[in-house]
Amino acid sequence: RKEVEQDPGPFNVPEGATVAFNCTYSNSASQSFFWYRQDCRKEPKLLMSVYSSGNEDGRFTAQLNRASQYISLLIRDSKLSDSATYLCVVNPPGGATNKLIFGTGTLLAVQP
Amino acid sequence: DTAVSQTPKYLVTQMGNDKSIKCEQNLGHDTMYWYKQDSKKFLKIMFSYNNKELIINETVPNRFSPKSPDKAHLNLHINSLELGDSAVYFCASSQGRRDTQYFGPGTRLTVL
Repeated sequence: RKEVEQDPGPFNVPEGATVAFNCTYSNSASQSFFWYRQDCRKEPKLLMSVYSSGNEDGRFTAQLNRASQYISLLIRDSKLSDSATYLCVVNPPGGATNKLIFGTGTLLAVQP
Repeated sequence: DTAVSQTPKYLVTQMGNDKSIKCEQNLGHDTMYWYKQDSKKFLKIMFSYNNKELIINETVPNRFSPKSPDKAHLNLHINSLELGDSAVYFCASSQGRRDTQYFGPGTRLTVL
């Protein structure tokens, strides 16, 4: 089983739609969780951290369910500029290291 | 005002050659990383240095040798290049071992 699993997509949605991505992780002791965004042929950039209580940043909402080892990202009112690959990222246990485990990403294409 | 920079951006070379990729960050961070993103877009950590000390060394062929002359630089030297080394290599940095990682623009390596 992969350490972090995501639906690769692509998700093709019209502008203004709401879209949700899911991710599961295998190590129940994982400590930190993130969503990164990667544009085509660019570097990954942190979109938001994911907290147990859930967190929101504008049109983006992230949720964490530790019992189910499940992370989600909800994007409301999709914009053309949201088109990118969304990477689910987990920081597993292991002392003081910052070893990030990346999912393979979910491709989002927002259509005009 | 580039935060994390890498050189070269593109590298095309023949099998068997030795090549180096350089990374520099001007964020004042003390931890740097090398990641490899293969043709399937899977991003995986290779190495991490904290204050010039190697703290993460994943299962990477010993043809790959990182070197950190100071906290702001982390270079990657690859000996006897193979076809399977073709990938995009990303450098990243963070302040502390558990803080947000910032990625460089990537070096696209093609081995012919």
